[in-house]
Amino acid sequence: GQQLNQSPQSMFIQEGEDVSMNCTSSSIFNTWLWYKQDPGEGPVLLIALYKAGELTSNGRLTAQFGITRKDSFLNISASIPSDVGIYFCAGKTSGSRLTFGEGTQLTVNP
Amino acid sequence: DARVTQTPRHKVTEMGQEVTMRCQPILGHNTVFWYRQTMMQGLELLAYFRNRAPLDDSGMPKDRFSAEMPDATLATLKIQPSEPRDSAVYFCASGLLPKGSDPTDTGELFFGEGSRLTVL
Repeated sequence: GQQLNQSPQSMFIQEGEDVSMNCTSSSIFNTWLWYKQDPGEGPVLLIALYKAGELTSNGRLTAQFGITRKDSFLNISASIPSDVGIYFCAGKTSGSRLTFGEGTQLTVNP
Repeated sequence: DARVTQTPRHKVTEMGQEVTMRCQPILGHNTVFWYRQTMMQGLELLAYFRNRAPLDDSGMPKDRFSAEMPDATLATLKIQPSEPRDSAVYFCASGLLPKGSDPTDTGELFFGEGSRLTVL
């Protein structure tokens, strides 16, 4: 089956710093989704990507669908304390189910 | 503000008891998913419905788990009998796919707040 590797597993940063996390897959994907999960809540969709090379922003968040179609990254600029949470990538290829990465736990120190 | 609603939010039960979790998908959505989240396994897909028909429940232990959609506004996940290893957070998610979509397409999923199950 598909394998998704998400890194890093955890990050500890200072408020104001930029953050970058990424996901790589063993298969070529046609969809990449990025979710954020706050403690005690369900994942919330941040950004959806459907084309190789696509770069999409949502406020301070920017995500890109890699040209090789096997990777995606998420950047957060000028982090703030409320950015704390677990960030999940999810991807799929035609004919397969959506697969989730293991998550990146982000801690932002004020 | 449309959202997926799950009940109960928390459930503590004893091994062997029946557990039923309920989900109200976003009105108008035609896909419903059940996921289980644990520290060890992350998010695991248990079952997937499209237009109320079960399309994939390969991730679900069939001997004790069952998932149904009695109508378009209610999805249920039942565990009978429950075991301690079933302790996890169970998420329901819904989405909207246009007609003619690939059967495996899932589109953008909108998650509920989850049901935290503890089986003693």
